Amino acid sequence: KAGVTQTPRYLIKTRGQQVTLSCSPISGHRSVSWYQQTPGQGLQFLFEYFSETQRNKGNFPGRFSGRQFSNSRSEMNVSTLELGDSALYLCASSYIKDSDRPNTEAFFGQGTRLTVV
Amino acid sequence: AQSVAQPEDQVNVAEGNPLTVKCTYSVSGNPYLFWYVQYPNRGLQFLLKYITGDNLVKGSYGFEAEFNKSQTSFHLKKPSALVSDSALYFCAVRDPRDYKLSFGAGTTVTVRA
Repeated sequence: KAGVTQTPRYLIKTRGQQVTLSCSPISGHRSVSWYQQTPGQGLQFLFEYFSETQRNKGNFPGRFSGRQFSNSRSEMNVSTLELGDSALYLCASSYIKDSDRPNTEAFFGQGTRLTVV
Repeated sequence: AQSVAQPEDQVNVAEGNPLTVKCTYSVSGNPYLFWYVQYPNRGLQFLLKYITGDNLVKGSYGFEAEFNKSQTSFHLKKPSALVSDSALYFCAVRDPRDYKLSFGAGTTVTVRA
């Protein structure tokens, strides 16, 4: 069974640009979450989608947005990039049998390393 | 709000010795608890979880964790550490009413030969 696939693996962007990251979850997983990992802040939750609906959002500015498609694939977008957005962005998918009981583990992709210069 | 604390930034052990990585949590109600491991330039790999039931949970690669509700702890353990266990370990908690994972700061484990 294929794991969570994130593309691209590495990105270098200039301040002020925008970027779109892609995540393909494990087949059958309808929940997709995004996390930002930095040395200073650790792992921080960005947002979670289930069946194309955003159910939860972390404390990030509106420049960070996401969406989920009908096939559960997800994208996140960061507009007007800042140097501080340099990070490893991780996507995770979960099999949620009962949408009201998030008791399953999340499976993570290898991440997209974003460098803003 | 839910939170996780990993009190040790680093843990160093000799190969063959027991390994313990500590984690305490704070959450309203009964928590869902998880341990993940991360190798350099890789994503997180799931090790084990506690949802309900037995307080001792067994997971991948010989790891286990003990849930202690009175101490709000969920320590990760391995009876005999391997050099290949050297990595960054994260404890995470999920509020049953929520969908996000809240992670601890991580503990770097170094197992010396």
